[in-house]
Amino acid sequence: GQQVMQIPQYQHVQEGEDFTTYCNSSTTLSNIQWYKQRPGGHPVFLIQLVKSGEVKKQKRLTFQFGEAKKNSSLHITATQTTDVGTYFCAGTGNQFYFGTGTSLTVIP
Amino acid sequence: DVKVTQSSRYLVKRTGEKVFLECVQDMDHENMFWYRQDPGLGLRLIYFSYDVKMKEKGDIPEGYSVSREKKERFSLILESASTNQTSMYLCASSLGGRNQETQYFGPGTRLLVL
Repeated sequence: GQQVMQIPQYQHVQEGEDFTTYCNSSTTLSNIQWYKQRPGGHPVFLIQLVKSGEVKKQKRLTFQFGEAKKNSSLHITATQTTDVGTYFCAGTGNQFYFGTGTSLTVIP
Repeated sequence: DVKVTQSSRYLVKRTGEKVFLECVQDMDHENMFWYRQDPGLGLRLIYFSYDVKMKEKGDIPEGYSVSREKKERFSLILESASTNQTSMYLCASSLGGRNQETQYFGPGTRLLVL
């Protein structure tokens, strides 16, 4: 079954508000990846985290990998309408799993 | 720039038909994957392949088979399509051997089985 869960499943925010999605695994992960899928599009790779406690930033996006390497988060500061889409985490445990995804809607 | 192409964007088939979904990547990637994507369920792995003529089952292989006769091409076969196989099918490829690396996705095939 699914080993990587994401919450929330859906999130609506006003433009300019912050957004966070959380990814939790039942097993320790050797790495975590994040992907973004625009409406009508396909998943596109954003970033990979490998080290325990690692934090990486891409402009308004901040990615964290937990100390125990079982969870991760993606935080977007001051959302814009271009941030709309579904964000997936994906991790390598005993196999490679995608999370269930968080669908972000940004209200102008 | 990696390019992954899929044979069809939209496909309509009847129950019981045999369906072939083709995927081609042009970057000499070792790994190729087939997923289906359904609302609320995320991406679920059907089959994957680490090498030519090699295949491994993913989470939901029932009702599907695959073929990898050439490195650049990975085919998904629905032997006898059923309505519960109506879904978005995504192919992906990645560079390395058994270590999971960045996956590059094709545009997807939206399959409707009537």
